[in-house]
Amino acid sequence: NAGVTQTPKFRVLKTGQSMTLLCAQDMNHEYMYWYRQDPGMGLRLIHYSVGEGTTAKGEVPDGYNVSRLKKQNFLLGLESAAPSQTSVYFCASSGGETQYFGPGTRLLVL
Amino acid sequence: TQLLEQSPQFLSIQEGENLTVYCNSSSVFSSLQWYRQEPGEGPVLLVTVVTGGEVKKLKRLTFQFGDARKDSSLHITAAQPGDTGLYLCAGAGAAGNKLTFGGGTRVLVKP
Repeated sequence: NAGVTQTPKFRVLKTGQSMTLLCAQDMNHEYMYWYRQDPGMGLRLIHYSVGEGTTAKGEVPDGYNVSRLKKQNFLLGLESAAPSQTSVYFCASSGGETQYFGPGTRLLVL
Repeated sequence: TQLLEQSPQFLSIQEGENLTVYCNSSSVFSSLQWYRQEPGEGPVLLVTVVTGGEVKKLKRLTFQFGDARKDSSLHITAAQPGDTGLYLCAGAGAAGNKLTFGGGTRVLVKP
């Protein structure tokens, strides 16, 4: 039982490049979330999903897209990376109110 | 938009001292959660408080939910170096499946 896993752990991008962050959970949770964490700002919700095939915008969705084709996976895409997207990205899943977080992906956009 | 403010942002104390972290909002939450995050890892849930006025204890940690369910506090008694970390409060709305996080309080307990 791995819980929530994220790949990659670290990535450096140039401005304008694209990439996809993968989140996988093995707890059969319906809800999945993508957050970004910046110094002094806690965690801010980017997008979330309440079930397979569904997605919804969170607090800071601009510049990101998501897909939930399979219940266990939640993908976060950056189509054209910008330096403002330099951050640590966390995925979480939940079967109720408790959210279980992955270890994070550190992204640096130059 | 529901906002949660945590104070202080940073706290440095000696081993054995007590500390309190505050989480305040102008909004009402259906529940309030506290997480601890260690460097290089994701946040891990410590406790959930649901009822206004509720007090929960977890060993040396005491969590309180305000009567109006708008604020909460975390008190650590006789802090130890193992308590070092980033403490985050998070409020759940009526639906319960989305959380609003505070900015976090970084706690450093020196031996």
